Amino acid sequence: RKEVEQDPGPFNVPEGATVAFNCTYSNSASQSFFWYRQDCRKEPKLLMSVYSSGNEDGRFTAQLNRASQYISLLIRDSKLSDSATYLCAVNIRDDKIIFGKGTRLHILP
Amino acid sequence: GAGVSQSPSNKVTEKGKDVELRCDPISGHTALYWYRQSLGQGLEFLIYFQGNSAPDKSGLPSDRFSAERTGGSVSTLTIQRTQQEDSAVYLCASSYYTEAFFGQGTRLTVV
Repeated sequence: RKEVEQDPGPFNVPEGATVAFNCTYSNSASQSFFWYRQDCRKEPKLLMSVYSSGNEDGRFTAQLNRASQYISLLIRDSKLSDSATYLCAVNIRDDKIIFGKGTRLHILP
Repeated sequence: GAGVSQSPSNKVTEKGKDVELRCDPISGHTALYWYRQSLGQGLEFLIYFQGNSAPDKSGLPSDRFSAERTGGSVSTLTIQRTQQEDSAVYLCASSYYTEAFFGQGTRLTVV
């Protein structure tokens, strides 16, 4: 099993819809979790950290499920500008972060 | 600037030549990562440094690829005898027990 796995997509979603992605991780000792956004031909940038209690930033909600070893990202009222690749990242140990391959999201007008 | 700096931003080289890519991480960041990304593909892990040591070099695709880090800071990724399949964006990231920050990458084109 890969250390961090994501569905590569693409997810094609109409504007205004709600979309959710999951990311599974294999190491139960993982400590920190993140979602990144990568636009075409750009470097990944931190979207939000994922806290144990879950966290929300505007239309974006991130949650952690330690029992099932996955994190999720929910985007409500999706905008055309949300089209991007979303990568999850997990700090597995000793300050080593592992990235998933990313999930491509296309918001359709 | 305080971000991760990579140079050059673009590099065109002839097949068979050697290239060196440089990464200057955020000051104080002990972890440094190199990734490769081909057009339309996901991040491909190459190597991870903790300080000057590389506890995980499992992603280096062949012995033509090597990397070093000196002084716990700057890292150089060297590709010897470049091949066309080496053409990609090479991304460097650094972290210190929290999120990782990426440089803008070096776009390598082997012709």
